[in-house]
Amino acid sequence: GAGVSQSPSNKVTEKGKDVELRCDPISGHTALYWYRQSLGQGLEFLIYFQGNSAPDKSGLPSDRFSAERTGGSVSTLTIQRTQQEDSAVYLCASSLGGTGYIQYDGYTFGSGTRLTVV
Amino acid sequence: AQKVTQAQTEISVVEKEDVTLDCVYETRDTTYYLFWYKQPPSGELVFLIRRNSFDEQNEISGRYSWNFQKSTSSFNFTITASQVVDSAVYFCALSELDTGRRALTFGSGTRLQVQP
Repeated sequence: GAGVSQSPSNKVTEKGKDVELRCDPISGHTALYWYRQSLGQGLEFLIYFQGNSAPDKSGLPSDRFSAERTGGSVSTLTIQRTQQEDSAVYLCASSLGGTGYIQYDGYTFGSGTRLTVV
Repeated sequence: AQKVTQAQTEISVVEKEDVTLDCVYETRDTTYYLFWYKQPPSGELVFLIRRNSFDEQNEISGRYSWNFQKSTSSFNFTITASQVVDSAVYFCALSELDTGRRALTFGSGTRLQVQP
């Protein structure tokens, strides 16, 4: 598609439930990133996928958070046993990726999923 | 480790004033990119500019200009003759290329309020 698509745009869930957030990157973009933005805060890196390489999970805040990317395209971020502190906007971004300087392209962000845990 | 600092939490100006948003970064990489993004009240992140570490030329785009100084590790952003539509949160970000990990490290943002 023309841009990065995220669904749902809004999600309200009860504490303790699991949620899945979806990201559909720009076609042909090999790199995909998840970020979290808590109310009034900056963006916090969560996880990074680059092609078939093992993902960089160094930003995941706890083992309740996981993500996968199927077929090098769509990604799903899963939060298990949600807590109120998980309430935030979850943003996905994609880029052409690659490891060479010349191949680098900019990032395109989706509109985000606003997660509210009640 | 990489770090981006935006010391100004909030700035309020009156329309037509010039305003400069500060950004200071830390990195051990020699090859990196610096970015500015705008986040209006609607929430989407709007890309403004990307500069690479080898190009210290200042850049001007309309009312926007950027001053990149490696000597002080700063990448400041100036809006000339501000307008109400410039009201938003502005983020500075860093992407390091030497390590191959392209994930952006963001500053905490500066909220700009332009009063009519």
